[in-house]
Amino acid sequence: AQSVTQLDSHVSVSEGTPVLLRCNYSSSYSPSLFWYVQHPNKGLQLLLKYTSAATLVKGINGFEAEFKKSETSFHLTKPSAHMSDAAEYFCVVSEGNAGNMLTFGGGTRLMVKP
Amino acid sequence: NAGVTQTPKFQVLKTGQSMTLQCAQDMNHNSMYWYRQDPGMGLRLIYYSASEGTTDKGEVPNGYNVSRLNKREFSLRLESAAPSQTSVYFCASQLESGVTYEQYFGPGTRLTVT
Repeated sequence: AQSVTQLDSHVSVSEGTPVLLRCNYSSSYSPSLFWYVQHPNKGLQLLLKYTSAATLVKGINGFEAEFKKSETSFHLTKPSAHMSDAAEYFCVVSEGNAGNMLTFGGGTRLMVKP
Repeated sequence: NAGVTQTPKFQVLKTGQSMTLQCAQDMNHNSMYWYRQDPGMGLRLIYYSASEGTTDKGEVPNGYNVSRLNKREFSLRLESAAPSQTSVYFCASQLESGVTYEQYFGPGTRLTVT
């Protein structure tokens, strides 16, 4: 069985400072991992994905994540936060099993202060 | 391309009423999914359809039925709504390209059951 734990339910940063959103996963297989972003009252948008290629994955809007198998982590980072980054972020794991079911973490709400 | 569309955007039901949530995608994807999102819990899979004519249960299927009407459309039906089904419902379809895959989400339907 697969599971995802997002270690912080809320993260607050000042504009222009680095962002770190933490994610740990559990999987019986070689997983695929994703980060999705959800702005208020909107659907989910894919930020980036890891599918067993390079362990450092670059996504949209300056975000990146590093897959660390030894630590079972897939933390999301950005060097400099922008006000428009304020949103809910979801770490997601998939084992590519029947139907490719995704398992979502509980989400991290990122707040960006001016 | 409209991507994944959902109707309605909002709905209020009384306990015991029935309704169908509609979802359509114009990306020629084989797989489609229905999720619900509750506060603090991320998204949970209700049902999915790996191809036209097939459907399978996800993590939380009780109280729901689905129909994969054709390749484009995947509907979710609540036969007798309960307050516990108050949630935001998201439909998704999946791009499958070789060993990579990616789910695209609709804008969601906010359902309140009183």
